[in-house]
Amino acid sequence: QVQLVQSGAEVKKPGASVKVACKASGYSFTNYYLHWVRQAPGQGLVWMGIINPSGGSTSYAEKFQGRVTMTSDTSTGTVYMELRSLRSDDTAVYYCARDRTLRLVGYALDSWGQGTLVTVSS
Amino acid sequence: QSALTQPASVSGSPGQSITISCTGSSSDVGNYNYVSWYQQHPGKAPKLVIYDVSNRPSGVSNRFSGSKSGNTASLTISGLQAEDEADYYCSSYTTTYTLAVFGTGTKVTVL
Repeated sequence: QVQLVQSGAEVKKPGASVKVACKASGYSFTNYYLHWVRQAPGQGLVWMGIINPSGGSTSYAEKFQGRVTMTSDTSTGTVYMELRSLRSDDTAVYYCARDRTLRLVGYALDSWGQGTLVTVSS
Repeated sequence: QSALTQPASVSGSPGQSITISCTGSSSDVGNYNYVSWYQQHPGKAPKLVIYDVSNRPSGVSNRFSGSKSGNTASLTISGLQAEDEADYYCSSYTTTYTLAVFGTGTKVTVL
């Protein structure tokens, strides 16, 4: 079955960077786009960006442009999301999620990781 | 970055039907059928319940249905059950400053 397993919780100081991993299994890794979504405590979902694991092309939400980088490692079936210049309002649960459409982007996320809590605090 | 607009809360009694609206614009909901709905229980990851406006993924109850009219999409839950109590989010492709946008979220309470 499709599984997305994310790396563990992180605590970072303001100004630092964080890199969250998302390891995929149970399907053909390079055939499905992966999205990143975050959720601040008690708040709604925010779309951050998308990566094509085959080739590594990306597109980021304007809100995160210049601060986020998404990469993929086809040898391990893992995608990464790095967020730089962290601020206290970056404290959130970060999710990776698979797009359900084979080799295309359908903007429907059918499998989600368990989430990674990133806490930014001095 | 503007989110799609949803009511903050909707409630209903067991067995009733409820409808959650999701209002966007011609840049998203109004001109594209990439509208999805997600159910999120506390402390859990979201779960896809509707995609492409009105399609249900395999394994999702047929009590969930979706539709769209103009710039507003809707999720209807019929035969409301206690397990349906959760937060619900719509999402859509958008041509604005981000490729995808979520709704503000709706808390569904089963009375």
